Formats: sequence, C-alpha cells, structure tokens
Amino acid sequence: EVHLLESGGGLVQPGGSLRLSCAASGFTFTDYWMMWVRQAPGKGLEWVANIKEDGSQIYYAGSVEGRFTISRDNVKNSLYLQMNSLRAEDTAVYYCATVYYWRFDYWGLGTLVTVSS
Amino acid sequence: QSALTQPPSASGSPGQSVTISCTGTSSDIGAYKYVSWYQHHPGKAPKLLIYEVTKRPSGVPDRFSGSKSGNTAFLTVSGLQAEDEADYYCISYAGTNHFGGMFGGRTELTVL
Repeated sequence: EVHLLESGGGLVQPGGSLRLSCAASGFTFTDYWMMWVRQAPGKGLEWVANIKEDGSQIYYAGSVEGRFTISRDNVKNSLYLQMNSLRAEDTAVYYCATVYYWRFDYWGLGTLVTVSS
Repeated sequence: QSALTQPPSASGSPGQSVTISCTGTSSDIGAYKYVSWYQHHPGKAPKLLIYEVTKRPSGVPDRFSGSKSGNTAFLTVSGLQAEDEADYYCISYAGTNHFGGMFGGRTELTVL
C-alpha cells in the first residue's frame, strides 16, 4: 500500500525557516516525479514545486522561488522542502504527491505550517 | 491566478447528477489528453478521480465520469451521495513541467 507521510510543520516567526519531509513507501520512489502542493486557509490547492525522478529538473512557483528548495533522497525514499524567509502568506497545509504523466495519483495527509509572530 | 476556470460552487440533491466544468485554452485542455480531476475532503488527502480525461483509477465509483469538448473539460457526478460533498479540482498539462499553469480553481460541491 502506498504511503506518503509529511512531517516538519509547525509554528514559525516571519523570516524564519522550516524543513518539511515526506517519507514515501509502498511504491518505487525513483519511478516518479514528486511535488509539493499547499492549501492556505480558505483557499484552493496551489502548486509549490516539483522535482524529476533523479533530481535533475526542478521547478518552482514564482511565489516561492528563491526562498524554497525542493530536494529528494532516493536512498531514503524521501522528499524535502526547505523553506526560508517565511512569510505570513506561506501559512498553509503542505502536501507531497507523486507525479506520473501529469497526474497526481498519491497524496499525503499534509503538514500544517503557520507563520506568525 | 488560476490558469483554468471552474465555477466556485455547484449543488444537487441526493440521487441527482451534477456536472462541473473546467475551462482552459487551446494550449492546455484543448491540446492534450492529460486532464485529471481530484476530490478533496477537508482534513484528508486529495484523491485522484479521473485521469486522461475519461479514465478512472481502480476503486473510484463509476458514478464519476469525465469528458472534454474543445477547451473545456467536465466532471459529472451521477447518483449524488452525501459523501460526495467536497471540493473538486481540475488539472491539465500545459506543455511544460513547470506546473504553474496546470491548476485550476476550486468547485465546492454541496449535496442538498
């Protein structure tokens, strides 16, 4: 059974940093692009970043480019999101998901990030 | 700003059918077969309902169906049930692996 488990969320002050992790199991991690998507309170899903199977291609939403870094460890079957210079508008539930032919088959339950003083 | 346009809300009574539209352009929905639909209940993981316009993953009831006409995709939910009340999203490949243009808005489906 496929499992994606996000962790690392929490309360952080504006300007602070957090590192999110997504532990994957139940499928061949290296067969999939992976992505992070977020949902701010009362809003819809917003794509954040995605990364190719081998990490050789990475893309970011304009709202996070230069502040967030997506990475993966194919030995540990894990996806990461390093978030720096956090802003109030980054407050959201962050989901990791698999990407296969531009469809997103599997999602985690999400981890909540709250940016507030 | 969403690249794809969905109605913000839809509703229907139990047993009825509801169709949600997703309007894009000739560069996304109109150009590719890679249109997918997702159901999201608050506090849960989003769920893939439809991929490649019309295909259903294993385990998704056949009450959910997808179609496309020109630059617009459609999700039809037949035989509405209370548990269908959720948010629905359409996503379309737009010719690049930068996904900024793939996500649409959100349709909140209410079962009356």
